[in-house]
Amino acid sequence: EADIYQTPRYLVIGTGKKITLECSQTMGHDKMYWYQQDPGMELHLIHYSYGVNSTEKGDLSSESTVSRIRTEHFPLTLESARPSHTSQYLCASSFTGGARGANVLTFGAGSRLTVL
Amino acid sequence: QKEVEQDPGPLSVPEGAIVSLNCTYSNSAFQYFMWYRQYSRKGPELLMYTYSSGNKEDGRFTAQVDKSSKYISLFIRDSQPSDSATYLCAMSGYSSASKIIFGSGTRLSIRP
Repeated sequence: EADIYQTPRYLVIGTGKKITLECSQTMGHDKMYWYQQDPGMELHLIHYSYGVNSTEKGDLSSESTVSRIRTEHFPLTLESARPSHTSQYLCASSFTGGARGANVLTFGAGSRLTVL
Repeated sequence: QKEVEQDPGPLSVPEGAIVSLNCTYSNSAFQYFMWYRQYSRKGPELLMYTYSSGNKEDGRFTAQVDKSSKYISLFIRDSQPSDSATYLCAMSGYSSASKIIFGSGTRLSIRP
C-alpha cells in the first residue's frame, strides 16, 4: 500500500496552462524528490528538499518550481506548460537517520503529463 | 559517458529460467548499490541494496557487486510471470547526502 501519493495520475492540458502536481507522504520522511522519467531513459532528478523551507534544483534543468511548507507535502508547479514538458513525473521520499547509510527512496505511482 | 550503463533490453525468458540483469559504472566512489523494480504505470520500488562488494540474497533474488570490475548484477531464480517489469539499478556514495544515479532500466518479460 502506497505511503506516498501523487495526484493527478494522468493529466492532458493545453500549452500555456499552469499546472500543479501534488505529492504527499505519510511516513514522516525528511527528504523529498521530484524525478522526470521518459521511456527508456534513466530517472533525472529535477528538484529535491532536505526539509521544510529547503528546496534545491536537481541535475536536470527544469522550468518547474517546488515548495516545501509542510514536511509531508512537496508540490511541483509549471507556470506555463509546453509540449516539451510532456513526461512522467515521479515523487519520492526518504529518511536519513544519520550521515551514513543507503538513501532508500520510496516512490509514488507517478503523474503522467501530456501537453498538447 | 554515462556514470551508470544498463542494457535496456527488452529481455524475454521462459518461466522458471534464471535471469541475469547487469549494470556497469564508472564512478569508483559509489558504495551503495540498489535494485528497483518498476511495474507498468507504477513507481519504482526497492528490491534490495548492498553495501560495497559481495553478494546479498533475498528469496529468489541475489544481488552481486564486483567493485574491481565496476559491475553489478541481479539474479532472479525460478522466474515467474509476476517478475515481468522494468528493473533499474541505482548507485550512491557513502554519505546519506550523496546523489543517487539511476540506470535507464532493463525491461524484462517472463513467458508462461
